[in-house]
Amino acid sequence: RKEVEQDPGPFNVPEGATVAFNCTYSNSASQSFFWYRQDCRKEPKLLMSVYSSGNEDGRFTAQLNRASQYISLLIRDSKLSDSATYLCVVNVGNAGNMLTFGGGTRLMVKP
Amino acid sequence: EPEVTQTPSHQVTQMGQEVILRCVPISNHLYFYWYRQILGQKVEFLVSFYNNEISEKSEIFDDQFSVERPDGSNFTLKIRSTKLEDSAMYFCASSLGTDPYEQYFGPGTRLTVT
Repeated sequence: RKEVEQDPGPFNVPEGATVAFNCTYSNSASQSFFWYRQDCRKEPKLLMSVYSSGNEDGRFTAQLNRASQYISLLIRDSKLSDSATYLCVVNVGNAGNMLTFGGGTRLMVKP
Repeated sequence: EPEVTQTPSHQVTQMGQEVILRCVPISNHLYFYWYRQILGQKVEFLVSFYNNEISEKSEIFDDQFSVERPDGSNFTLKIRSTKLEDSAMYFCASSLGTDPYEQYFGPGTRLTVT
């Protein structure tokens, strides 16, 4: 079973649409959760950390369900500049602080 | 805004050669990492480094690889006797600590082994 699993997409949405991505993780000991975005051939950029109570940053809302080992990201009012690959990332909290990445979900926002 | 920097941006080397990839982490960060991403695949952890020691390493990080912090600013990844399958994007990252633990990535070095 993959450690962090995501639908690879692509999700093709019009500007202004709301889109949601989901992610599941296999290690129940995971402690920290993140969404990163990655543009083609660029580095992962931290989008937001995901907290147990859920958190929002502008048009972006992240949710965590520890019981189901499930993380989500909601993007409202999509912009052309949101086109990227969104990476679900998990940290099991060991001393090395290793991040485990999902394969990413590709989003394409069209005019 | 402080950034992680990496040099070179692209390195081409012949199979069997040694390469050194260089990184300058964010200045007040204490934890440093190397990840790699083979084209079309997911980002994979290689190694983490704290207090001049390796904290954790993955199965990928075998005797072919080594890391060093030769001075107060640079963090290097050495790959000895490169193989074709070492061709990948290598990302350096740093974090202030493990709490907070957000890791910030450099722009990467694209390594091509011919």
